[in-house]
Amino acid sequence: GQQLNQSPQSMFIQEGEDVSMNCTSSSIFNTWLWYKQDPGEGPVLLIALYKAGELTSNGRLTAQFGITRKDSFLNISASIPSDVGIYFCAGQLYKAAGNKLTFGGGTRVLVKP
Amino acid sequence: GAGVSQSPSNKVTEKGKDVELRCDPISGHTALYWYRQSLGQGLEFLIYFQGNSAPDKSGLPSDRFSAERTGGSVSTLTIQRTQQEDSAVYLCASSPRLAGAGETQYFGPGTRLLVL
Repeated sequence: GQQLNQSPQSMFIQEGEDVSMNCTSSSIFNTWLWYKQDPGEGPVLLIALYKAGELTSNGRLTAQFGITRKDSFLNISASIPSDVGIYFCAGQLYKAAGNKLTFGGGTRVLVKP
Repeated sequence: GAGVSQSPSNKVTEKGKDVELRCDPISGHTALYWYRQSLGQGLEFLIYFQGNSAPDKSGLPSDRFSAERTGGSVSTLTIQRTQQEDSAVYLCASSPRLAGAGETQYFGPGTRLLVL
């Protein structure tokens, strides 16, 4: 089946820094999505990307759908403490098991001590 | 309106017992999904429903897992003869329909299952 490799697995941020994470896939997806999960909660959708090459922003978040349809990145600018959490990329292939989502392993964002 | 709700929020059980996990999707959503999240891992797809039918059960890890949905609404995921490796967070999601682009999946808070 399809595999999503997400990196880095974890990172420390300092308030005001920009952070970046990315996902690569062994095969193409029709849609790329980025979710954030806080402790004890389900994932919440941050950004959805529908076209190869698409660059989309949502506030301080920017994400891009790779031209090859096999990768995506998420940037967070000017990070703030509430950006702490786990970020997941997810790919969706239409009509594959009801448009199920295939998730990366997550990037855990922590605050520098 | 209300989001996806799941119950119980936490479940501790003994190895070999059966458990039932419940999902109430957003009202009017026809598509419903179950995922499993092991500690520190991403989410793993288990099964989806379009209405009351589950066309593809290949994501279920073993024949001890089953799921049903009645009335196009509530879904129950049942794990029989639980094993310690079943310990995980079980997440439910719903979306308005099974279409192409734009059908966001909304997640519930999950049920945290611990098998002793």
